[in-house]
Amino acid sequence: GENVEQHPSTLSVQEGDSAVIKCTYSDSASNYFPWYKQELGKRPQLIIDIRSNVGEKKDQRIAVTLNKTAKHFSLHITETQPEDSAVYFCAAEADKLIFGTGTRLQVFP
Amino acid sequence: GAVVSQHPSWVICKSGTSVKIECRSLDFQATTMFWYRQFPKQSLMLMATSNEGSKATYEQGVEKDKFLINHASLTLSTLTVTSAHPEDSSFYICSARDLRYSPLHFGNGTRLTVT
Repeated sequence: GENVEQHPSTLSVQEGDSAVIKCTYSDSASNYFPWYKQELGKRPQLIIDIRSNVGEKKDQRIAVTLNKTAKHFSLHITETQPEDSAVYFCAAEADKLIFGTGTRLQVFP
Repeated sequence: GAVVSQHPSWVICKSGTSVKIECRSLDFQATTMFWYRQFPKQSLMLMATSNEGSKATYEQGVEKDKFLINHASLTLSTLTVTSAHPEDSSFYICSARDLRYSPLHFGNGTRLTVT
C-alpha cells in the first residue's frame, strides 16, 4: 500500500523567511496530492492540492511542486507570517488518501 | 463550500460502553466517506473507507467488529466504537467527498475519552 514520508518533523523560521516541506510517496499510481494545515484541536484545512498532470501550482504565498519520476512533492511557503504556525500534512492518493507524518511549523516574529 | 458536520464534538464514556459518532455531508452527496483516527501529536491514520450502500473497507489492524461503520445514505455515515477501552481514547475525524480525487472535506472531529 501507499506510504508517505514527510520531512522535516519540525521547522522554525523567522517571519518573512520561506519554509519548505518535502514528502515522498511509494505508490506510483498516486494521482492526487493535497496539503493540509491543522491547528491544535481543529480539523485539517486544505491549503493547496496538485494532480499528477501538473508539475507546479501556486496560490499567493503557497506553492507546491511535484516530481512524479522521483515520487516526491514539496510545499513552499514564502513571506511566512506568525499565523502560518501550525502542523502541515502532505497526503497522496491512489485509491485512498494517505497522510504524511506531519511538520510542525513555527514562525517567530 | 462543502460542509461536513460531525457530532458529538467530544464525548466521555466508561470502559465497556459503546459510542456512536455521526458524520453528515450537508450540501453535497458523499459517495465515499473516510474515517481517520489521530493520537496526540501524530498524523491522521486511515481506519476505514465507507461507501454508500456497501460494507466498509477497513485498514489493516483496525478491528471491524470493534469499529462499526454504517453508510446508509449519501449524506450520513456513522462510526460506533463498541466496548470502548481507554486505549480507544483519541480524536476521530470523518471526511467526505463527492468525486474521486476531489478535495476531501473534514468534519470537526470527535474527541473520545474512555475512562
